[in-house]
Amino acid sequence: EIVLTQSPGTLSLSPGERATLSCRASQSVSSSYLAWYQQKPGQAPRLLIYGASSRATGIPDRFSGSGSGTDFTLTISRLEPEDFAVYYCQQYGSSPRWTFGQGTKVEIK
Amino acid sequence: EVQLVQSGAEVKKPGESLKISCKGSGYSFTSYWIGWVRQMPGKGLEWMGIIYPGDSDTRYSPSFQGQVTISADKSISTAYLQWSSLKASDTAMYYCARRQKTYYGMDVWGQGTTVTVSS
Repeated sequence: EIVLTQSPGTLSLSPGERATLSCRASQSVSSSYLAWYQQKPGQAPRLLIYGASSRATGIPDRFSGSGSGTDFTLTISRLEPEDFAVYYCQQYGSSPRWTFGQGTKVEIK
Repeated sequence: EVQLVQSGAEVKKPGESLKISCKGSGYSFTSYWIGWVRQMPGKGLEWMGIIYPGDSDTRYSPSFQGQVTISADKSISTAYLQWSSLKASDTAMYYCARRQKTYYGMDVWGQGTTVTVSS
C-alpha cells in the first residue's frame, strides 16, 4: 500500500503570500495518478489538480502542481482569502486503488 | 449541469441496516466510475470503493471490504452504499464522487450524506 505523507500539517500564512504544500509517497507514483483537492468547512472536496500538474476546470492559475516519483508539490502563488482551507493529495495505484494524504490546513496568520 | 445529488442525513441505531444513494445527472451515468469516500468527524478523507455503473464492476478498499456494499442501478442513474449492521464507528460524512474519464481524479462530488449511529 502506498502511503502519502503531507507536510506541513498546518501552514500559517497571510493573504498575498505564497503557499507551498508537500506530498511525499512511500513508493513511486505515476504523475498521471496524482491529484490535489481543496476542502472548506462544511463543503465537499473540490478537485484542483490532476495528473500532478493539470488544473481542473475553473481552477484559477494561482494554483499549480508539480513533481514526480515520490515528491509532489501544490503551490498557491498568492493566497486569496477564499484559499484558506484544507488541502489533500490523492494517488491512484494498486490496492487500495486510491489513497489520500492526511491533509494540510492553510490558515490565516 | 453535471451533478451528483446524495440522499439526506440519517440517524440510526447500532445493528440497523442502511442504504444511502447518489443520483447522477447531466452526463452519461454509465460511462464514469463512481467512488465513495468517508470522512469521520474532524478527520481526513478515506477512499472506500468504486463502481462502474455500466457493468457494475466494483472495487473495494481492503479497509472496507466486507463492511459495506456498493451497488448501482443504471436505469435510474443512482449509486448506493449500504451497511447490513451499523456500528457507532460508522458515524461519518459519506461522499460520492465521479472519477474523471481519462485521468484518476474525482472531478464531481456529491454534497455528502451524514450518517449518525447512536443508541
